[in-house]
Amino acid sequence: EPEVTQTPSHQVTQMGQEVILRCVPISNHLYFYWYRQILGQKVEFLVSFYNNEISEKSEIFDDQFSVERPDGSNFTLKIRSTKLEDSAMYFCASSVGPGGLPEKLFFGSGTQLSVL
Amino acid sequence: QKEVEQNSGPLSVPEGAIASLNCTYSDRGSQSFFWYRQYSGKSPELIMSIYSNGDKEDGRFTAQLNKASQYVSLLIRDSQPSDSATYLCAVNDNYGQNFVFGPGTRLSVLP
Repeated sequence: EPEVTQTPSHQVTQMGQEVILRCVPISNHLYFYWYRQILGQKVEFLVSFYNNEISEKSEIFDDQFSVERPDGSNFTLKIRSTKLEDSAMYFCASSVGPGGLPEKLFFGSGTQLSVL
Repeated sequence: QKEVEQNSGPLSVPEGAIASLNCTYSDRGSQSFFWYRQYSGKSPELIMSIYSNGDKEDGRFTAQLNKASQYVSLLIRDSQPSDSATYLCAVNDNYGQNFVFGPGTRLSVLP
């Protein structure tokens, strides 16, 4: 069964450093997302991406964050100048795309980011 | 601000019993509703989706939706210890691509 792939599974970085989290969405999906989950808290929406541009973003997704689809398969989340509070599990997700009813989200296994 | 509320639990039920999980949402424009299961340290996994008022059954799972009351529930029949997980309710307004998640209800099925 097709799945969303995320790398790395764990990322440790020093405060102030930049990190890039990588995702390969399911191949025929058109919508891509990043969510994060701080330990013990709820899954929070960061950004959605469609047709090579951001379609929606939350208040969390400020200038520190950026997304990119550098080629036909990868979808990346860049966090500039990381802060301690950026420590969380980051999930990439994808969905088929517009087709009447909102499509279901398929999640990757996540990248656990630890900022020291 | 769109909100999705769930009792955090833990909800403990004996093996074989029915587990009932509830969710309320604030946005009356919400059109699509989803239940995800999340094991500790893992990603959310879709269990059920429901779009119209009433019940939708899939195996041991039944989702119930009441848009007038802004309420959606998940029933798990014949609960198994392997059902022990956090259950997340998610809501979408059918216009955006922002799926809003509730905080989740932790279910514990006791052998």
